[in-house]
Amino acid sequence: DSGVTQTPKHLITATGQRVTLRCSPRSGDLSVYWYQQSLDQGLQFLIQYYNGEERAKGNILERFSAQQFPDLHSELNLSSLELGDSALYFCASTAGERGGYTFGSGTRLTVV
Amino acid sequence: DAKTTQPNSMESNEEEPVHLPCNHSTISGTDYIHWYRQLPSQGPEYVIHGLTSNVNNRMASLAIAEDRKSSTLILHRATLRDAAVYYCILMRWGGSEKLVFGKGTKLTVNP
Repeated sequence: DSGVTQTPKHLITATGQRVTLRCSPRSGDLSVYWYQQSLDQGLQFLIQYYNGEERAKGNILERFSAQQFPDLHSELNLSSLELGDSALYFCASTAGERGGYTFGSGTRLTVV
Repeated sequence: DAKTTQPNSMESNEEEPVHLPCNHSTISGTDYIHWYRQLPSQGPEYVIHGLTSNVNNRMASLAIAEDRKSSTLILHRATLRDAAVYYCILMRWGGSEKLVFGKGTKLTVNP
């Protein structure tokens, strides 16, 4: 257990649907990062939140959104799902400059 | 984001040391050098990071060149469990603090 918890582990849904992925960072970590990993794209940074506020944005589609709640857990919302959104979604957290980043075990999303 | 260059793949034998190189010629003075590894269908795992001096931890050692334009991740005795994709990433605090993953080096460990 890395300390970063992601749920659910697997998700199968149909095109056009909406899903929510959840991430609980390591205790005490204020930053949460979301990444997408598909077979042909590698690990792509989506978005970062720090203590409830959006800090950085990557290649995140407009159909995707995220937020971080007061208890520091984060949710990634994916809507109008397409087949190409099938991927592993990871979140990570960090304690700051002196440490590394800790990743969760991911959510495998399959859009059929 | 400063770029790193790694070999696409490397092979090693079990119980032998492995030296994974990384070039980062455009590194700036405030860039940390991070190493992560990823096993199939698992999340990336932090290995080690450093700024200027060599670093050791229970997993590996990080040797940083004096000019910081290159670094080497050293696995002292490779095991089959070390077979993974290894990523060398430059990360600067106070700027864009995200990790930008390249293609990494796929390490194969032969029994």
